[in-house]
Amino acid sequence: DAGVTQSPTHLIKTRGQQVTLRCSPKSGHDTVSWYQQALGQGPQFIFQYYEEEERQRGNFPDRFSGHQFPNYSSELNVNALLLGDSALYLCASSLGGNPGNTIYFGEGSWLTVV
Amino acid sequence: GIQVEQSPPDLILQEGANSTLRCNFSDSVNNLQWFHQNPWGQLINLFYIPSGTKQNGRLSATTVATERYSLLYISSSQTTDSGVYFCAVGNNNAGNMLTFGGGTRLMVKP
Repeated sequence: DAGVTQSPTHLIKTRGQQVTLRCSPKSGHDTVSWYQQALGQGPQFIFQYYEEEERQRGNFPDRFSGHQFPNYSSELNVNALLLGDSALYLCASSLGGNPGNTIYFGEGSWLTVV
Repeated sequence: GIQVEQSPPDLILQEGANSTLRCNFSDSVNNLQWFHQNPWGQLINLFYIPSGTKQNGRLSATTVATERYSLLYISSSQTTDSGVYFCAVGNNNAGNMLTFGGGTRLMVKP
């Protein structure tokens, strides 16, 4: 049973560029959430997708956008990259969008902005 | 939003020792989960425990929702227990969002 998979695992971008990160949820899961984790801090909620729509959004600017596909996989896009966007981006999947359901995280995508 | 504080921020143990990690939160919650983040960055779900007590092997957790805290117990620690432990909470106001604490960084020495 495949867990949550993310790609790429590491990438380096230049300020002002755009980046797309990808996530495939755990088999059978239909809900995907994205988190940003800066070095030495806990993860921060970016947004959640359920039934191909953004269901909830955290305190992140519009430069952060996403998409969920019919097969439940998801993309996170960040435009006009800033140095402060350097972080570990984590994807989490769960079933049914119920806050009480256990969530499973991928190994993350390490983004460095130079 | 909910504030989550974890203590201690750093902990060094000798292999075989026991430890207690604490998570305080500022509002009532209906979702509380403990995670272990390994050195490669992956978060592993340990417990879903908005209230009560659960045990899984050498790990156990207790949440006293009325007093807004949760405890994670690690017994007979092993070097593989090293990493960062996070508490994450949510409630109806937060919707589906989990708010994470700052974590406890645990190092278990052989």
